[in-house]
Amino acid sequence: DIVLTQSPVLAVSLGQRTTISCRASQSVSISSINLIHWYQQKPGQQPKLLIFRASNLASGIPARFSGSGSGTDFTLTIDPVQADDIAAYYCQQSRESPFTFGAGTKLELK
Amino acid sequence: QVQLKESGPGLVQPSQTLSLTCTVSGFSLRSDGVIWVRQPPGKGLEWMGVTWGSGNTNYNSALKSRLSISRDTSKSQVFLKMNNLQTEDTAMYFCARWDYSGDYWGQGVMVTVSS
Repeated sequence: DIVLTQSPVLAVSLGQRTTISCRASQSVSISSINLIHWYQQKPGQQPKLLIFRASNLASGIPARFSGSGSGTDFTLTIDPVQADDIAAYYCQQSRESPFTFGAGTKLELK
Repeated sequence: QVQLKESGPGLVQPSQTLSLTCTVSGFSLRSDGVIWVRQPPGKGLEWMGVTWGSGNTNYNSALKSRLSISRDTSKSQVFLKMNNLQTEDTAMYFCARWDYSGDYWGQGVMVTVSS
């Protein structure tokens, strides 16, 4: 199984730029398509798709969210961070089944 | 618009079988996949399995011996059955449309395993 590694907690300041990382145990790219997706989850809610295939903004998601990376290393950037962005963020790979999730990064205010 | 809704019992006794239903609208199960994901209280997301538009399925290897996912396309429903439930299976269970990412999610159903 592909293992995705995320830092568990990240302290941020409102108005600043922040990056959340996701590292895969093997390449999750196929023919330059990077099969990593990012979700936001707030307490008591279902996950919400933010970014698909590493860098594509999902419908209705603000442009302050962006994604980058290839191969095994990927990043979700929020710039600037707003109060509504305080949540947990998960990466997921769809390179091969099982389509594993990272353990999640919880964004906290400094 | 695309919608998914999970339903099922909130309480299951240890060693019993869990049966959940995901009722979908706004898309066809013959063309799009559906995944099941669970989340124990205070923990992260665990991918359980997928039913594809073709009807084929894939499962989390850790759950494969206990898990079955099926569907009824005429009723736009996807079913999850998992046997021999234990307390560690207590979780929120979500279904989501799957197009190589989960773009629409149900609100989830909380399942507690307890006697």
